[in-house]
Amino acid sequence: DTEVTQTPKHLVMGMTNKKSLKCEQHMGHRAMYWYKQKAKKPPELMFVYSYEKLSINESVPSRFSPECPNSSLLNLHLHALQPEDSALYLCASSQDVPLLETQYFGPGTRLLVL
Amino acid sequence: AQKITQTQPGMFVQEKEAVTLDCTYDTSDPSYGLFWYKQPSSGEMIFLIYQGSYDQQNATEGRYSLNFQKARKSANLVISASQLGDSAMYFCAMREGEAGATNKLIFGTGTLLAVQP
Repeated sequence: DTEVTQTPKHLVMGMTNKKSLKCEQHMGHRAMYWYKQKAKKPPELMFVYSYEKLSINESVPSRFSPECPNSSLLNLHLHALQPEDSALYLCASSQDVPLLETQYFGPGTRLLVL
Repeated sequence: AQKITQTQPGMFVQEKEAVTLDCTYDTSDPSYGLFWYKQPSSGEMIFLIYQGSYDQQNATEGRYSLNFQKARKSANLVISASQLGDSAMYFCAMREGEAGATNKLIFGTGTLLAVQP
């Protein structure tokens, strides 16, 4: 089973709101990722967690705050976003050994910031 | 310079025919991995196929095969017997360096494939 789930599927928020995106996997993967994808563009890496610790932050603005409460869950907390943050947010996970490195993606959350 | 280049913004193919989506890459690292993902309009990125730099044989997964030409630094995706459900955006991606727990993927700009009945 290579399933990564994400909630909510769609989210509309104002610039003063606080919201959270949730990602879950039960494949025993120890690395989890957040990507941002604008329309007609490839995904851009935002954050990587390895063994529940933040290992990569691609210079993402502080209005995005990731959290990894346990090895199966990854959250992205959103606060004071800008309209240009509207995008598809994709979560992915992968195993922690060579030859099993494929990242499996969730269905994404479509975010609209008004 | 772009690390992953997909030169075909869009492609058309007739149902039941084969189609090749081009991907070239640029790296000086001897160890790397190449991936193809499919993204339907629904948004989910679906993993299709993987090729490691040290793999001697071209990867195949069902109707998908990867034409790996290391000297030319190309990793073209071949879809045989196209189906209407194959209509989607296709991304080529590369992982540089040794595989590990946290791999940064570099994506190409994608090719939008339309399968015509």
